[in-house]
Amino acid sequence: EPEVTQTPSHQVTQMGQEVILRCVPISNHLYFYWYRQILGQKVEFLVSFYNNEISEKSEIFDDQFSVERPDGSNFTLKIRSTKLEDSAMYFCASSEIPTDTQYFGPGTRLTVL
Amino acid sequence: GQSLEQPSEVTAVEGAIVQINCTYQTSGFYGLSWYQQHDGGAPTFLSYNALDGLEETGRFSSFLSRSDSYGYLLLQELQMKDSASYFCAVRAPIFPVYNQGGKLIFGQGTELSVKP
Repeated sequence: EPEVTQTPSHQVTQMGQEVILRCVPISNHLYFYWYRQILGQKVEFLVSFYNNEISEKSEIFDDQFSVERPDGSNFTLKIRSTKLEDSAMYFCASSEIPTDTQYFGPGTRLTVL
Repeated sequence: GQSLEQPSEVTAVEGAIVQINCTYQTSGFYGLSWYQQHDGGAPTFLSYNALDGLEETGRFSSFLSRSDSYGYLLLQELQMKDSASYFCAVRAPIFPVYNQGGKLIFGQGTELSVKP
């Protein structure tokens, strides 16, 4: 069964450093999302991406965040200058059509020191 | 905006039945979905209700009452592997362009512990 993959599984970085989180969505999907989950809390929407542009972004997704689909398979989330409060699990998700059934990747655990 | 309320934790024994409730307040509503998450791993889609009534998928069922802005997830014949967090979620439409997908808004999650 096709699945969303994410790399790396764990990322430790120093405050102020840039990080790039990578995702490979399911190949025939057209809608892509990033969510994050701070430990013990709910899953929060960051950004949605369709037709090579951002569809919507949350208040969390400020100028320090950017997303890109550099080729036909990868979907990346970049944090330019990480803050301590960016420490969280970051999930990529995709869907074939606009739907409540979104397929989530295993996540990248980001730790900012 | 959208908000969802669900209990923070529920405990039950193997073989039992448990119901996890969810109430929601939304501006625009497609339906209510449920996701399962084991140990902070990938949330996995369980079920979706767009219309009032009960949807059954094996041991899991989900119910929706649109007039009451309420739904629940029913887990039967509980097994130890059902111990996980369960999230209700709604999809927020993007106005005015409806076809550009929609973010999922999740509840805080209910941690289900299944005891022997």
